[in-house]
Amino acid sequence: AQTVTQSQPEMSVQEAETVTLSCTYDTSENNYYLFWYKQPPSRQMILVIRQEAYKQQNATENRFSVNFQKAAKSFSLKISDSQLGDTAMYFCAFMKQLGGGADGLTFGKGTHLIIQP
Amino acid sequence: SQTIHQWPATLVQPVGSPLSLECTVEGTSNPNLYWYRQAAGRGLQLLFYSVGIGQISSEVPQNLSASRPQDRQFILSSKKLLLSDSGFYLCAWDRGSSGNTIYFGEGSWLTVV
Repeated sequence: AQTVTQSQPEMSVQEAETVTLSCTYDTSENNYYLFWYKQPPSRQMILVIRQEAYKQQNATENRFSVNFQKAAKSFSLKISDSQLGDTAMYFCAFMKQLGGGADGLTFGKGTHLIIQP
Repeated sequence: SQTIHQWPATLVQPVGSPLSLECTVEGTSNPNLYWYRQAAGRGLQLLFYSVGIGQISSEVPQNLSASRPQDRQFILSSKKLLLSDSGFYLCAWDRGSSGNTIYFGEGSWLTVV
C-alpha cells in the first residue's frame, strides 16, 4: 500500500514571499502520478499541479512548481510570489495507475498554509 | 469541457434518518466515479468507487451505500444515519481507463444531530 506524508501541519509566510511545502511518499510502483491539491475555506478540492513519475522534468504551473526527486520519493511544492488567495489547506496525493481505479488517490494529512498581509 | 455537480451543498439530518447525496458529471463518458469523506481535522478517505453502471466497490465497511444508475450519475445513500457519518463528502471523477487526474465536485457538508 502507498503512504503519503506531509510533515508540516501549518506554515505561515508573508505575502509575496516564496514558500515550499514538503511531501514524501512510499511506494513500490515505478510508474505513478503525484498531485498537489488546494482546499480553500470553501472546501472544494482544486487541482494545483500534476507530475508523472516517468517524466524527469519538474512540473510548473504559473507561480507553482514542484521539486520531484524520484529516488528520494520526495515531491515538494514551491509557491512563488505568494498571494493572500493562496491561503488554504494543501494536500499531496499519489495515484498508482491510470484511471485511478481501486486505490483512487492516497492523500497526505495536509499542510495549512497561511499567507499574511 | 467537463464539469461535476454535487448536491445538496449542506444538510442537517437527525440520527436514524435516511441520506441521499447526488453527483453528476457532464462532458465525458465512461468516467470512473468516487465518493470521498473528509471528517473534521482529518484527511480524505475513499468510500466507494465505480468503473461503470451498476459496478460499485466499497473501500470501508459502514452503513453507507453507493449506486450508479446511469453512466454519469453517482449516488451516496444511507438508510439510517449515525452521528459518526457527519463530515464533508466529495464526489470525484476521472476519464476511466485513460484518466490520469481525479477532479472533485464542490462537496456536501453533512451534520448528523
